[in-house]
Amino acid sequence: GQQVMQIPQYQHVQEGEDFTTYCNSSTTLSNIQWYKQRPGGHPVFLIQLVKSGEVKKQKRLTFQFGEAKKNSSLHITATQTTDVGTYFCAGRGFNKFYFGSGTKLNVKP
Amino acid sequence: EPEVTQTPSHQVTQMGQEVILRCVPISNHLYFYWYRQILGQKVEFLVSFYNNEISEKSEIFDDQFSVERPDGSNFTLKIRSTKLEDSAMYFCASSDRFAGEKLFFGSGTQLSVL
Repeated sequence: GQQVMQIPQYQHVQEGEDFTTYCNSSTTLSNIQWYKQRPGGHPVFLIQLVKSGEVKKQKRLTFQFGEAKKNSSLHITATQTTDVGTYFCAGRGFNKFYFGSGTKLNVKP
Repeated sequence: EPEVTQTPSHQVTQMGQEVILRCVPISNHLYFYWYRQILGQKVEFLVSFYNNEISEKSEIFDDQFSVERPDGSNFTLKIRSTKLEDSAMYFCASSDRFAGEKLFFGSGTQLSVL
């Protein structure tokens, strides 16, 4: 079945360092979404990417969708303690979004 | 911003008992979902619902699970005979368009089966 894998599983960074998480799908995706889940919270939508090779930015966050639409990445520049949480990508299936395994980010002040 | 609300926030039940988890999706949304998350793990799809019927369900969503939209506002998940492995956080989500629209998640119901 469809699977979305994310690496790394965990990332510990010093505040101010950059962070990247990668998402890889076993099948071509029509679109991909990214969510952030704070500790003890629920997933919150960040962005959706639709086009092959698409790049979108939100302040310090840069999202990229691969040319083959099978992978995606989220890059955070100069992390802050408010970036702490788990970042999930979610690929769109026919009647659902299926979530990747997530990357848990810890930022040390 | 409008919110998806879920009740209760915590539910403790004995193995074999029935539980009903309740959700009120955002009022103009038409697509509803249940996901679950075992502590520290990924968010797993259970079921999607549109136009008063199930659109898709996962292998987790077996005969012990059912969903219902009993009125114009509520969306429920019933587990008929709970098992220990059903212990998880259950999230309801809704969206206002099927094709590629963002999911709004509720705060979840933490289900503990003893």
